[in-house]
Amino acid sequence: QVQLQESGPGLVKPSETLSLTCTVSGGSISTYFWSWIRQPPGKGLEWIGYVYYTGTTKFNPALKSRVSISVDTSENQLSLKLTSVTAADTAVYFCARGIAVVGHHFDSWGQGTLVTVSS
Amino acid sequence: SYELTQPPSVSVSPGQTASITCSGDKLGDKYTCWYQQKPGQSPVLVIYQDTKRPSGIPERFSGSNSGNTATLTISGTQAIDEADYYCQAWDSSTFVVFGGGTKLTV
Repeated sequence: QVQLQESGPGLVKPSETLSLTCTVSGGSISTYFWSWIRQPPGKGLEWIGYVYYTGTTKFNPALKSRVSISVDTSENQLSLKLTSVTAADTAVYFCARGIAVVGHHFDSWGQGTLVTVSS
Repeated sequence: SYELTQPPSVSVSPGQTASITCSGDKLGDKYTCWYQQKPGQSPVLVIYQDTKRPSGIPERFSGSNSGNTATLTISGTQAIDEADYYCQAWDSSTFVVFGGGTKLTV
């Protein structure tokens, strides 16, 4: 069974860049879509964007100008970079595996990692 | 941008049927899925492609989608079903969209 594990700094200063990595184990990163999704404390889920194993990406229009997502198939990892962060970017960040045969749904999720934006 | 609307909360007595709705423009033309999230845990997929249950999800969870509304139904609701539930769909302009979430109290 595939497992996803997020890693990265838990504290980022305002205006700096948030960087996270998701390591996929128990399965190949190929042939799936891989998303980053976040959840501010006490609030709902927000999709950030996805990367296909080929490197193709799509982003939430609201975040598109600040987001980049990449994939490293040799390491079975995907990465997120979010620039110019503010307190509003404080959230638990999840990586998730996406299935897009029809529609798009997420069948496997990482445990999530809390990132706090504060000086 | 495309939006999905859920009621903030739904209450149900144990053993009864809970229905959680998700509304969006012509949502019935899109495929909808549902996630269950318990406090401090990651979301778990409970329904995908409107009506399908992943392996390991109890039969008491079912879904439907027509017109502007998708519905998650939990028959014979149990205390362990108390959680937040999120609907999600794919839109050609907004891509992945989540509803605001519904807190189910049993």
